[in-house]
Amino acid sequence: KAGVTQTPRYLIKTRGQQVTLSCSPISGHRSVSWYQQTPGQGLQFLFEYFSETQRNKGNFPGRFSGRQFSNSRSEMNVSTLELGDSALYLCASRPRGERGDEQFFGPGTRLTVL
Amino acid sequence: GQNIDQPTEMTATEGAIVQINCTYQTSGFNGLFWYQQHAGEAPTFLSYNVLDGLEEKGRFSSFLSRSKGYSYLLLKELQMKDSASYLCAVRGDSNYQLIWGAGTKLIIKP
Repeated sequence: KAGVTQTPRYLIKTRGQQVTLSCSPISGHRSVSWYQQTPGQGLQFLFEYFSETQRNKGNFPGRFSGRQFSNSRSEMNVSTLELGDSALYLCASRPRGERGDEQFFGPGTRLTVL
Repeated sequence: GQNIDQPTEMTATEGAIVQINCTYQTSGFNGLFWYQQHAGEAPTFLSYNVLDGLEEKGRFSSFLSRSKGYSYLLLKELQMKDSASYLCAVRGDSNYQLIWGAGTKLIIKP
């Protein structure tokens, strides 16, 4: 079974631009979560989608948005990029969205904002 | 607020045993996870505890005490490849959202 894939792997943007990141979960997994990871901050939860519906959202500004398609693939969008948005963005999928489900992470997209 | 604490960095010797602690304060509890993350790579699942006690999986064991809001990850017979960050995460009062600690960087010396 193929793992979680994320595209692109690396991205360089300038302040004020917008960016779209893509995540394809493991086949059959219906839940997709997005995280931002920066040195010293750990993983910060952005949002989770389950069956095309956002069912939980972290404490990020409205510039961060996402969506999930009927095939469970997910995208996240960041508008009006700021220098502080430079980070590793990780996507994770899990099968049923139940409490004991482990999350399977993709390799991440490293975003650099200049 | 909700909070997870773990040491920032630990050093241990190859072949030895190391214990990484995690304390948490969350508004509810629906399980605690440990993940391993090598530099530049994605986190990978190590263990899940939802009931008090010890879960053993080969060289790795994880312990949970819900009354104390405390968990530890025990690594035995350390190998150089165990050099990584170890992340503690708690599923609180929501079935969906994980709250993550900042991670413990483990350095293994020969």
